[in-house]
Amino acid sequence: DTGVSQDPRHKITKRGQNVTFRCDPISEHNRLYWYRQTLGQGPEFLTYFQNEAQLEKSRLLSDRFSAERPKGSFSTLEIQRTEQGDSAMYLCASIRVGMNTEAFFGQGTRLTVV
Amino acid sequence: QQQVKQSPQSLIVQKGGISIINCAYENTAFDYFPWYQQFPGKGPALLIAIRPDVSEKKEGRFTISFNKSAKQFSLHIMDSQPGDSATYFCAASNNNNDMRFGAGTRLTVKP
Repeated sequence: DTGVSQDPRHKITKRGQNVTFRCDPISEHNRLYWYRQTLGQGPEFLTYFQNEAQLEKSRLLSDRFSAERPKGSFSTLEIQRTEQGDSAMYLCASIRVGMNTEAFFGQGTRLTVV
Repeated sequence: QQQVKQSPQSLIVQKGGISIINCAYENTAFDYFPWYQQFPGKGPALLIAIRPDVSEKKEGRFTISFNKSAKQFSLHIMDSQPGDSATYFCAASNNNNDMRFGAGTRLTVKP
């Protein structure tokens, strides 16, 4: 257990439905990342937060995707109108910038869109 | 745009052998180069990392070799063990901003 928890671990949804994932980072970590990982590939950067501010979004993050970190603690990633191509593992990672550069990953949420 | 290129995609090594995985990067602003190990169903976990002010870092059986001029770095696993069988990802970041990962190498160590 890395201290980063993600919920749910698995999600099966029908195409067109909305889904929301939650990430609880390590409490003293001020930076939080979302990645998407498809089978056999490395994690692809989606977005990151410094405290509650969303500082960068990848081009992979279409307008159907939105992420929030309202109080600088937990974060949510919502996908609207899901498509089969959204099926992937969604990983969250956190870092305490300035103290330790190691990124701690959660176990991910595996999304299957049917 | 793939900023970190990793090879090979898969690697099979006999127990006791040396596993070598290579990565190349493009962005000269990258200043932190970690390697992550991922087991099935788990998130990646940091294995070892290097900064560009040194050319080599060793931790136990794991060594990173770094060539700044060639913009390349590699992971060497000495005396590879079946328990090392996992997927390995190299990564690069600039001041902890959007860490970029390689595509991964699936290592199988045969007993």
